[in-house]
Amino acid sequence: LAKTTQPISMDSYEGQEVNITCSHNNIATNDYITWYQQFPSQGPRFIIQGYKTKVTNEVASLFIPADRKSSTLSLPRVSLSDTAVYYCLVGDMGTGRRALTFGSGTRLQVQP
Amino acid sequence: DAGVIQSPRHEVTEMGQEVTLRCKPISGHDYLFWYRQTMMRGLELLIYFNNNVPIDDSGMPEDRFSAKMPNASFSTLKIQPSEPRDSAVYFCASSQGLAGRTDTQYFGPGTRLTVL
Repeated sequence: LAKTTQPISMDSYEGQEVNITCSHNNIATNDYITWYQQFPSQGPRFIIQGYKTKVTNEVASLFIPADRKSSTLSLPRVSLSDTAVYYCLVGDMGTGRRALTFGSGTRLQVQP
Repeated sequence: DAGVIQSPRHEVTEMGQEVTLRCKPISGHDYLFWYRQTMMRGLELLIYFNNNVPIDDSGMPEDRFSAKMPNASFSTLKIQPSEPRDSAVYFCASSQGLAGRTDTQYFGPGTRLTVL
C-alpha cells in the first residue's frame, strides 16, 4: 500500500508562504495525489489534486517531482483562517480503500 | 445543490441503545462513504458504496455496525447495541467516482455521537 508520511504539525505567521511536504515512496503508476483541508468541527474539504509536475488553483499549488515519491502543498500568504489540518492522500479509485486512507495529517497553526 | 446532508447533527444515547445515522448524498454521485473520526484513531473509512452496492466494508469495527443504501439518495449507518467506545464524529461523503483517478469527495457536516 502507498503509505503517506507528513509532518505532524507546522507553525507559520500571517502573510507567509507555507509548504507542506508529503512522502509517498510506494506510489503506483495510476495513483493520483490529493490534498484535503479540515477545520475543527467540519468534514474535510478538497483542496487540490495532481498527477505530476505542478498544479495550481485559486487556493493552493501542488508540486510533484518527476519521481513522484513526494509532493508539496504550497499555500501562498496564509491567513489565520488557514489554520486547519491538511491531509495528503495517494491512490486510484479503482483500487478502493488505498485511495481513501486519511493519514494523521499536518496540523497547521497560523499566528498573527 | 445543498451538499451532503447528515442527520442528526448531535446524538447522545445510553450504552446498549440502537443508534441510526442518516445521510443524503449529492445528487448524481455514484459513491457514498461512511467515516468515523476520533482523536485517537483519526479519520477512518468504515464502508463505501458504489451505485448503492457495498464495495468494501472491511473498516466496519464489528457486527454491531451495519450500513445500508436502499436507494441513490439515502444511506443509514446503524449501531446496535451502542457502546461508549463508539463515541466519535461520523462523516458521510459522496463522490462522482471517475474511473482511473481519486475523485473529489464531498463531506457532510458530520454527526457527533456520544454514548454514555
